[in-house]
Amino acid sequence: SQQGEEDPQALSIQEGENATMNCSYKTSINNLQWYRQNSGRGLVHLILIRSNEREKHSGRLRVTLDTSKKSSSLLITASRAADTASYFCATDKAAGNKLTFGGGTRVLVKP
Amino acid sequence: EAGVTQSPTHLIKTRGQQVTLRCSPISGHTSVYWYQQALGLGLQFLLWYDEGEERNRGNFPPRFSGRQFPNYSSELNVNALELEDSALYLCASRGQGPDYGYTFGSGTRLTVV
Repeated sequence: SQQGEEDPQALSIQEGENATMNCSYKTSINNLQWYRQNSGRGLVHLILIRSNEREKHSGRLRVTLDTSKKSSSLLITASRAADTASYFCATDKAAGNKLTFGGGTRVLVKP
Repeated sequence: EAGVTQSPTHLIKTRGQQVTLRCSPISGHTSVYWYQQALGLGLQFLLWYDEGEERNRGNFPPRFSGRQFPNYSSELNVNALELEDSALYLCASRGQGPDYGYTFGSGTRLTVV
């Protein structure tokens, strides 16, 4: 079963615009991670935020975490065509146990 | 440093057959995770191996099994294949410590006909 739900399911933006996607989850977590998947291949780890952190940045990525609302958001700034992919959030209830994935957001960045 | 490698990349099997998928983790990673990504069903956790032992198992029937070898590589076996087993099977490994993300292989695309 899926731990999280992602919103929106699909997103279409112009190059240069920002893309925001949200993730909600159901149980307490140790950390939350975001992954990118291109064309149904392997997942690439983007960023990890621990349960005691509220915001984290990595390059053009900004992740927030609100444990009181059991939700997270991923912001991609100044999007590029190469950012076209599916983005998944995943929760880790206990470090090293297993990841539980959301359904993903498909992002299309039009040049 | 080589990433997580999976083989084969694609294969086609007939319903009722058996299949073995292979995964080599990043050097030094002792944990290997298997996930199934079927169309419309998202990423479903299958199995977690660490130090040669099965640590956790997802909600899959017993015909899904695996093992981890002393060199930490892993195999996923699926017996009595069914059409709904058609999916992308992803393997991941993870470093030690609480702040490491998982590194995924490129997956094996299994088609059951």
